[in-house]
Amino acid sequence: AQRVTQPEKLLSVFKGAPVELKCNYSYSGSPELFWYVQYSRQRLQLLLRHISRESIKGFTADLNKGETSFHLKKPFAQEEDSAMYYCALTLYNNNDMRFGAGTRLTVKP
Amino acid sequence: ETGVTQSPTHLIKTRGQQVTLRCSSQSGHNTVSWYQQALGQGPQFIFQYYREEENGRGNFPPRFSGLQFPNYSSELNVNALELDDSALYLCASSLMGGGVTEAFFGQGTRLTVV
Repeated sequence: AQRVTQPEKLLSVFKGAPVELKCNYSYSGSPELFWYVQYSRQRLQLLLRHISRESIKGFTADLNKGETSFHLKKPFAQEEDSAMYYCALTLYNNNDMRFGAGTRLTVKP
Repeated sequence: ETGVTQSPTHLIKTRGQQVTLRCSSQSGHNTVSWYQQALGQGPQFIFQYYREEENGRGNFPPRFSGLQFPNYSSELNVNALELDDSALYLCASSLMGGGVTEAFFGQGTRLTVV
């Protein structure tokens, strides 16, 4: 069964420091991986997906099939990055999306 | 603004009652998925509707049921409410066809069962 694990519930860094939000997954097929973000008082929104290999707001995520990981990284965190981040997985052509429990990132000034 | 709207935003029900939550999908989308998000947890997949039929279901009992209408809006119905049903219910719409596409989420309905 598909499962997504985000080992850190809380993560706090200082502005300008690098940040890495961890995501590990288990799957029984060929997954698509996503990162969703929820800023304060806003709805859940897509941050990036591995298939597009893009960088959004300075964040990148590399799919490591050997380690079954999809960690989210940013070299220099900004205060506006403070939010709840969810890693999610779905099998290709199966829109049943499984979410991790989320990591709350706080970027301190 | 993504265009996915949910109603009501907040709801209080008594244990044993029934509830109906509503979702209007984004224009051009044909698929609606429902999620339950308990406090401190990530969203949990309840089910998905595509072309008015259930197209996948998570680990939820039959008292969770749904509908999708010809205009692709959707309802989530929960019968015999239990205290543990208290959660934020999220609706997400997407366009199915040609692989996985981005899901756009509504703001959620906060259900409290007392």
